Amino acid sequence: NAGVMQNPRHLVRRRGQEARLRCSPMKGHSHVYWYRQLPEEGLKFMVYLQKENIIDESGMPKERFSAEFPKEGPSILRIQQVVRGDSAAYFCASSPLGTANTGELFFGEGSRLTVL
Amino acid sequence: SQKIEQNSEALNIQEGKTATLTCNYTNYSPAYLQWYRQDPGRGPVFLLLIRENEKEKRKERLKVTFDTTLKQSLFHITASQPADSATYLCAPILTGGGNKLTFGTGTQLKVEL
Repeated sequence: NAGVMQNPRHLVRRRGQEARLRCSPMKGHSHVYWYRQLPEEGLKFMVYLQKENIIDESGMPKERFSAEFPKEGPSILRIQQVVRGDSAAYFCASSPLGTANTGELFFGEGSRLTVL
Repeated sequence: SQKIEQNSEALNIQEGKTATLTCNYTNYSPAYLQWYRQDPGRGPVFLLLIRENEKEKRKERLKVTFDTTLKQSLFHITASQPADSATYLCAPILTGGGNKLTFGTGTQLKVEL
């Protein structure tokens, strides 16, 4: 049973370009969460999605960032017009249940974005 | 505002000793608290969850306590091994907060031979 799959593992972009990060949740999981980890900082919640719905995007920057989780295919975190401050590790996590669940999150290995 | 504090300095201990990591939180009352392990370049891995009505939880060499009066959780690793070296993250969870976890910055543990 494959775990949470993220790709690419490493992504290099120049300022002003777009970055697309993909996440396939564990089989049977319909809830996806995106977190960002800046160097020397903790994991910060960005967005929580279910299939075709954004449930909570309170941690998403208001501009340039968007996320989706279509009916078919992986969840995608999109960063437009990247800036150097976007350089970070972006982690995706999934769970089988929603807000009633107090159990564990299953994390992917992360996508490391470097903006030159 | 809600705040989660973990020791920012690395904890170095000798193999075989007990490692104790601290997680303090302020300005909220979590109903649950989770602990995760994160290795360099990897994603966090869930270790334990403890509920507010549980004083202590154990899993193999791991023990977690949850003191809602002190607003603190302690994470213990007994008979520590070099393989336990990693960063440990705590995540207090509000009732109904589900999996929108807020993590502390983590404490790096180094177990030396």
